[in-house]
Formats: sequence, structure tokens, C-alpha cells
Amino acid sequence: QSVLTQPPSVSAAPGQKVTISCSGSSSNIGNNYVSWYQQLPGTAPKLLIYENNKRPSGIPDRFSGSKSGTSATLGITGLQTGDEADYYCGTWDSSLSADVVFGGGTKLTVL
Amino acid sequence: EVQLVQSGAEVKKPGESLKISCKGSGYSFTSYWIGWVRQMPGKGLEWMGIIYPGDSDTRYSPSFQGQVTISADKSISTAYLQWSSLKASDTAMYYCARRQTYYDILTGYSASLFDYWGQGTLVTVSS
Repeated sequence: QSVLTQPPSVSAAPGQKVTISCSGSSSNIGNNYVSWYQQLPGTAPKLLIYENNKRPSGIPDRFSGSKSGTSATLGITGLQTGDEADYYCGTWDSSLSADVVFGGGTKLTVL
Repeated sequence: EVQLVQSGAEVKKPGESLKISCKGSGYSFTSYWIGWVRQMPGKGLEWMGIIYPGDSDTRYSPSFQGQVTISADKSISTAYLQWSSLKASDTAMYYCARRQTYYDILTGYSASLFDYWGQGTLVTVSS
């Protein structure tokens, strides 16, 4: 059982937009920055979004992040087949003896 | 270019010991925390622990405290994850990653994230 809750799967057609939610509490998302990671099949995770909505160098602006209260959302526009991956949210949790807590992951299928 | 290069896949028997490595380059290895993350087959990411190579300050997730040992040799820019007695349930992919952490005084928010990841080390424990 992950501290952060994500839907197990989402799907959309190429060219469409999809959003992935990440729900937490005041001890994690509510009072800390959220990051998002993309894990393409058979590869290591990669940082996609940090500080709720900032993109590292090289990440296209098709990827966006937002946060409201104790939930965060990853948005992907102009879906491509190459976006098929698992997506994880992560943040600091001040109530646990854990440095980083992750969501359970969401598998994105581009139909 | 920041790189974290991990040691190769391992196949071990239950009860055996193991030490896997993660070598950093392209940045000041002693100035950033390194974390270890487990991913069991078909499952999500689990934070195991972190080490600051500058002074070897180490912290563990309660789930992994006492189960593994994290260490580092700053002279060769390498972090390690080791087991003294492997179990079949240790079968997983293990990733090292460089950790960024900071406190934003304006918002009061803290951040802890992994900005660069190693390629992963697959550990298989089977009799």
C-alpha cells in the first residue's frame, strides 16, 4: 500500500491529452514539492517534473505538472506512442521516517 | 555529463552475501546524497535509504533498516548496497540515484527528489 495514491492505468489515443492524479495528505503533498518520474519499458526511471511544475532540461513542454491541496496532477498533451510508460509521483513526507515516498505508479497506454 | 553506472546483474543463492555498486561521475560525488530504490518484479518504486558520501551519513527506510547496508567510498566515487544473507524475496531490480534535497524558505516546502538514475542492477536470488 503506497503512501501516495495513483490510478493503476490510464489510456488515450495518439494526439490526445491525458492526466494522471496523485493523492496524498498534508504531511506529504500538501506541504511539500511533488516530482514525477517516467519509466519507459525496461529502463530506469527518469525525472520528468520537479517542484510541482518545473521541467528539467530536455523534457518537452507537452509534459506539465500541477498541485492543488493534497493532490497533484501530471498532464501530457499531444500523446505519442513513445509516451507509453509507467509514471510515478514522489514527494517528501514529514511524518514518516522515510526520505521519499512514491505513488504506486500509473501505466499509460497510448491506444 | 552526470552519470551513475551500476554493477552488473547477479544471480545468487539464498543465504549468500552480495555487494552491488554505483559509480558516479560528471559531478562532485561528495556533495550530493545517493539513494537506493528497489523495484520488485512488476511492482513500483520503493525508497530504501540514502548516503551522503562526503561524511558517510546514512539513513534507512524503516522497511529496510537492518536488512541491507549502504556505504560509500568517496575516493573512488562509488556507493554500495549490500546484503549479508540474501532471501528469495530480495529478487528485484535495484537502482541508485542522485538525490536533491532543499527547503524553500519562501513557501515552507521541502523537496526531496532523484534527478539522475543509474541503469539498475538486477538481483536474482534462487536456489
